[in-house]
Amino acid sequence: QLHLQESGPGLVKPSETLSLICAVSGGSISTSGYYWGWIRQPPGKGLEWIGSIDYRGDSHYNPSLQSRVTMPVDTSKNQFSLRLTSVTAADTAVNYCAKYQGGTMADYWGQGTLVTVSS
Amino acid sequence: QSALTQPASVSGSPGQSITISCTGTSSDVGAYKYVSWYQQHPGKAPKLIIYDVSDRPSGVSYRFSGSKSGNTASLTISGLQAEDEADYYCSSYTRSATRVFGTGTKVTVL
Repeated sequence: QLHLQESGPGLVKPSETLSLICAVSGGSISTSGYYWGWIRQPPGKGLEWIGSIDYRGDSHYNPSLQSRVTMPVDTSKNQFSLRLTSVTAADTAVNYCAKYQGGTMADYWGQGTLVTVSS
Repeated sequence: QSALTQPASVSGSPGQSITISCTGTSSDVGAYKYVSWYQQHPGKAPKLIIYDVSDRPSGVSYRFSGSKSGNTASLTISGLQAEDEADYYCSSYTRSATRVFGTGTKVTVL
């Protein structure tokens, strides 16, 4: 059974970089056909897709966030990351990592981690 | 990309059937058979309940079914139960190889 676990700072200052890690267990991040994604949810609001990447580095990002987002993959540690630069209060959200099967459906999710942007 | 449009809320009595719509464009919902639906209870992570428009993952109740016509996908919950009270989100693959979520629908069991 695949398990995903997010980790990272719960508080980030405005203009700084948000960095989160998603550790994958119970399966290999280097499996062909799997994409690894990040989805966020501002408090009381809906889901927003941030982006996804596979182990070869084939990545796709939400056009509204593309200039600020990268998602490095570390196959040696079986984990992938989210880096969002120049954050503002609007980036305050619960961030979920997820595994996309075939790139189209998120069938495994982490529990989510709240990141608050505040000075 | 714009979020897919869902009704903000839908309600029904136990045992009834309800349907949630998810309207997109010819660049997302209308373009592929890659619409999925997620159920989210308060404080929990979303759970996949429908993929590829109408397929159910193993372990998901047969009471959940999906369909699509043109640029609009739909989720039907039959035999509504108290445990179905949750938020529901659709999602679609897009022509830009990105994904987009719907605005979300709160289902209330009366």
